[in-house]
Amino acid sequence: GAGVSQSPSNKVTEKGKDVELRCDPISGHTALYWYRQSLGQGLEFLIYFQGNSAPDKSGLPSDRFSAERTGGSVSTLTIQRTQQEDSAVYLCASSLVRGADQPQHFGDGTRLSIL
Amino acid sequence: GNSVTQMEGPVTLSEEAFLTINCTYTATGYPSLFWYVQYPGEGLQLLLKATKADDKGSNKGFEATYRKETTSFHLEKGSVQVSDSAVYFCALSDSGGYNKLIFGAGTRLAVHP
Repeated sequence: GAGVSQSPSNKVTEKGKDVELRCDPISGHTALYWYRQSLGQGLEFLIYFQGNSAPDKSGLPSDRFSAERTGGSVSTLTIQRTQQEDSAVYLCASSLVRGADQPQHFGDGTRLSIL
Repeated sequence: GNSVTQMEGPVTLSEEAFLTINCTYTATGYPSLFWYVQYPGEGLQLLLKATKADDKGSNKGFEATYRKETTSFHLEKGSVQVSDSAVYFCALSDSGGYNKLIFGAGTRLAVHP
């Protein structure tokens, strides 16, 4: 399809394991964002990529979280040594260009459950 | 810092009733404002946007006007349908913040026949 694609759609893992979440943005979109949606915290910004510029990592909650974007397209969010409070829906969004007026298009998310 | 405050839900209405969901914001710059909607079992979708003061965004019968003087962006619809049942999120994007979206807590709307 033409939308933002995220995988897996669901992930269940044990506390302490590492997980990788993948996002494939809309073709041609230069800006990519990761957000987290959890019951207690609502929707929170995590990290932002724009082209080849250094990412804005200001929303990452701890150094267990990291993300990369290869070739300006696909992005991977990695959570190391997962904790139960990491359980949430992780959302990826992309927009055509950088700009405060540009709408962001969201994927369906990855529901992460830490046992 | 920038923030968005939405009226708490859930909001329960009968079909064809008038809807208002209040949203106010705090921002240091001149943000763009958005309403996103999340239907049951689906992802976030852009509903409408406004990028400067006095702009009115509209889509699917929903409207919201960017009011700089009251720092508000209230969502309205004249006649809701059962299919409008969803969670609605107000959000702002500020170019000073790398355009990341700052969301309100969300308002759940339930429309009954």
